[in-house]
Amino acid sequence: QSALTQPPSASGSPGQSVTISCTGTSSDVGGYNYVSWYQQHPGKAPKLMIYEVTKRPSGVPDRFSGSKSGNTASLTVSGLQADDEADYYCSSYAGSNNFGVFGGGTKLTVL
Amino acid sequence: QVQLVQSGAEVKRPGASVKVSCKASGYTFIAYYIHWVRQAPGQGLEWMGWINPNSGGTNYAQKFQGWVIMTRDTSISTAYMELSRLRSDDTAVYYCARDREMIFDLDYWGQGTLVTVSS
Repeated sequence: QSALTQPPSASGSPGQSVTISCTGTSSDVGGYNYVSWYQQHPGKAPKLMIYEVTKRPSGVPDRFSGSKSGNTASLTVSGLQADDEADYYCSSYAGSNNFGVFGGGTKLTVL
Repeated sequence: QVQLVQSGAEVKRPGASVKVSCKASGYTFIAYYIHWVRQAPGQGLEWMGWINPNSGGTNYAQKFQGWVIMTRDTSISTAYMELSRLRSDDTAVYYCARDREMIFDLDYWGQGTLVTVSS
C-alpha cells in the first residue's frame, strides 16, 4: 500500500489561509469518505483534527476544515496562528484488507 | 477522561524482540479497536496494524506480517505490540491509538514509546 501524497511543506502569514492537499487513489481517498487529518507538534503524539473528510472533533477550532474531490482531499487552515505551526498528516481508510494508509506529512510554517 | 498510557523507552540489540504495552482507561476497553503506528526519526507515520480487544482478532499491514504480534489482556485493559528480529531501521517511536469508528480515524493516542535498536 503506497503512502498518500502530500506536499512536504506549506506556509502562510498569521491571519492568512493555507490549504494542504493529500492525493491517493480510487482504492483509498477516492473510494471512501473516510479521510482524516492529524496535527503533530514536535515531540508530541498526533492529534485528530478532521475525520470523515469534513467533521471536526469536539474542541477543534472551526478554522480547520476539510474537503475532498475525487482522489484528492484537502485541509484548509484559515486565520493562521502561531500555534498552527506543526506537521500535518492525512490518512485514509483503504478497505478491509489494506485498511489504513497515511500521507507523508506536510510541515506547516507560520511566517 | 480517555487515556492511553504506554510503557517506557527500550534499547534493544539487532535480532532481539521488543514488547510495548498500552494501558487504556476512561472508556470500555473492548468497545474500540486499537491500532499501532510507528514513526522513525524525522519521518512520517506508518500504520502497522490493529487489534480488536473484544475478540483478539488482528489485521497487520502487509509489511509487518510474520514479524509483529498484537495481543491484549482484557482483565487489565492493556494492548501489546511485539516486534521481533529487530533491525536498526526499526528504531522509531511506536504509538498506540484508539479507532473512533473502525474507519481509521484515531481519536486518542498514547504518548509514544521510543524503541532504539543498536549494537
